[in-house]
Amino acid sequence: ELKVEQNPLFLSMQEGKNYTIYCNYSTTSDRLYWYRQDPGKSLESLFVLLSNGAVKQEGRLMASLDTKARLSTLHITAAVHDLSATYFCAAQSTSGSRLTFGEGTQLTVNP
Amino acid sequence: DAGVTQSPTHLIKTRGQQVTLRCSPKSGHDTVSWYQQALGQGPQFIFQYYEEEERQRGNFPDRFSGHQFPNYSSELNVNALLLGDSALYLCASSLVGHVNTEAFFGQGTRLTVV
Repeated sequence: ELKVEQNPLFLSMQEGKNYTIYCNYSTTSDRLYWYRQDPGKSLESLFVLLSNGAVKQEGRLMASLDTKARLSTLHITAAVHDLSATYFCAAQSTSGSRLTFGEGTQLTVNP
Repeated sequence: DAGVTQSPTHLIKTRGQQVTLRCSPKSGHDTVSWYQQALGQGPQFIFQYYEEEERQRGNFPDRFSGHQFPNYSSELNVNALLLGDSALYLCASSLVGHVNTEAFFGQGTRLTVV
C-alpha cells in the first residue's frame, strides 16, 4: 500500500526566508503532485513531476523528484505572505490513477 | 473547457439522511475518483469509477456508494449520514488508458451534517 509522509506539518516563516517541505512515499509511483489549498477551497495544482530528476519552478516555488530515494521536495525562495496556505503532496499509484496524499504542510509567512 | 465541475457547492443535511453529490469530468476524461477531506486532514480516496464500474475502493463503509453514467459523469451517494461525514468532497477526473494521465480536481462540495 502506497503511503505518503510530509514534513514539517506546520511551518512558520518570516518573509524573505527560504525553506523546504519534504515528501516521502513508500512504493513506486507514476507521478508526484504538489497542490496548494487555501482555507475552505479546493486543491490548486502546482506541479506534476513524472521522472527521476525532474525539477519544475513557478515563481518562488520549485519542486523536485528523486524516484530512487522516493523523495520530492518543494522549495520556497524568499517567502512572501501570499504563499501562506496548506501544501499537499500526492503520489499516484502505478495501478490505476488513485492518489495518496500526505497530511499537508500548513505554511504561515509572517511579515 | 469547463474542467471538472461539482454540484452542489455546499450542502447541509441531518444525521440519518441520505445525500447525493454530482461530478462532471473534464472533457475527454473517462475516469472519476472521489475523495473525502475532513477538516485539517489530507484528502482520502473513497473510490474510482471507470467504464461505469467501481474500479478501486478505499477504506470506506458500504454507506458510501457511487455510480458512473454513460457520459462519464458520476454520483457519490452517502446513506445514513453521520456527523463524521462532514467534510469537503472532491471529485477528480483523468483518462485511463495505456498511460495514466494527470488527475484534475473540481472545486468540491462542502457537506455539513448536523
